[in-house]
Amino acid sequence: SQTIHQWPATLVQPVGSPLSLECTVEGTSNPNLYWYRQAAGRGLQLLFYSVGIGQISSEVPQNLSASRPQDRQFILSSKKLLLSDSGFYLCAWSRGQENQPQHFGDGTRLSIL
Amino acid sequence: GQNIDQPTEMTATEGAIVQINCTYQTSGFNGLFWYQQHAGEAPTFLSYNVLDGLEEKGRFSSFLSRSKGYSYLLLKELQMKDSASYLCAVRDSNYQLIWGAGTKLIIKP
Repeated sequence: SQTIHQWPATLVQPVGSPLSLECTVEGTSNPNLYWYRQAAGRGLQLLFYSVGIGQISSEVPQNLSASRPQDRQFILSSKKLLLSDSGFYLCAWSRGQENQPQHFGDGTRLSIL
Repeated sequence: GQNIDQPTEMTATEGAIVQINCTYQTSGFNGLFWYQQHAGEAPTFLSYNVLDGLEEKGRFSSFLSRSKGYSYLLLKELQMKDSASYLCAVRDSNYQLIWGAGTKLIIKP
């Protein structure tokens, strides 16, 4: 069966510090991978998605970036965090077929001080 | 623009039935998903509709009318553990998911 791992579960960072969140998927190959952010009481905002190694599409211009160094690894980064970067970050995967649902990791709750 | 509307909050009684509506206006349509999200947790997949009609999965059913841009999630025999937010998401013509803000369902004993 497929599993998705996302860490850390919670993170408290000062403004201006760097960020690296990692997500890995097991039990499948060539998944579509996604990074979302969810503000409190709000819907999911797609940040980045990837259909293959080194292929990253950005949905919202901001100070975040994403990389996919390996088939089942997706990393969300920032060089300098802003207060507005606080939120609940979710990694998700899906099979390449269009009618397949996305499956989410447990999420990272990021607080910027 | 693309838009998905859901009620912000609903309240229902344990053992009862509740219907959560979702209306959408998107550039194209390639399926509609319902997810459940408990507070502080990640969303989990509930159901998928791409053709008109009702899909039943145990206590949960989901209905779609593409001509009306409308779906609903029906929860029967409500249990306290059903207290959660329910997210509606539509896959558009670019196969990207457009998410609603979610409906917070409160179950009272």
